[in-house]
Amino acid sequence: NAGVTQTPKFQVLKTGQSMTLQCAQDMNHNSMYWYRQDPGMGLRLIYYSASEGTTDKGEVPNGYNVSRLNKREFSLRLESAAPSQTSVYFCASRDLNTDTQYFGPGTRLTVL
Amino acid sequence: SQQGEEDPQALSIQEGENATMNCSYKTSINNLQWYRQNSGRGLVHLILIRSNEREKHSGRLRVTLDTSKKSSSLLITASRAADTASYFCAANSGGSNYKLTFGKGTLLTVNP
Repeated sequence: NAGVTQTPKFQVLKTGQSMTLQCAQDMNHNSMYWYRQDPGMGLRLIYYSASEGTTDKGEVPNGYNVSRLNKREFSLRLESAAPSQTSVYFCASRDLNTDTQYFGPGTRLTVL
Repeated sequence: SQQGEEDPQALSIQEGENATMNCSYKTSINNLQWYRQNSGRGLVHLILIRSNEREKHSGRLRVTLDTSKKSSSLLITASRAADTASYFCAANSGGSNYKLTFGKGTLLTVNP
């Protein structure tokens, strides 16, 4: 099993450009999450999807949209990137049986 | 707002010594989890302790939970250079929409 995969690994955008970060998991988990990690800030929840067909805002949703395409895939879209969105983005899925989250390797995004 | 806060922010020890990290949280929890993050990588789940547990062991890891003080500690015994990483606590406040709130992390450096 690949676990949680994310693409791309790195991305540089100019202010105002748009892009979609892709995430997929092969563990048949219902819940999926998007976090951002900034220096000294820990991880902050952007959006989550408790199950296929549902999405909800987390702590820092402004400037982002998400799509739960199917049970496996959960994408994060930046419609008009801003320098404040420079960060490392992590996707995660939750194992209902153990109550733990499995993380992808992250996407390092720089917005100039 | 951050639910968990780790202390210290950074810790440097010699190989073979024990490392203790502390976490405080603000509201009542369903469980508290600890994760490790190696530089440039995603987070990896280490151990989960439920609100009705006081202590839990997993290999060289020992976690305690004091719900009256809203605090937890992670002890790594007989540390190794490979334990060098950032360690995060994450609080699960329960509810139907399962979410974790992460602290800012403790950077542990184990010197050979």
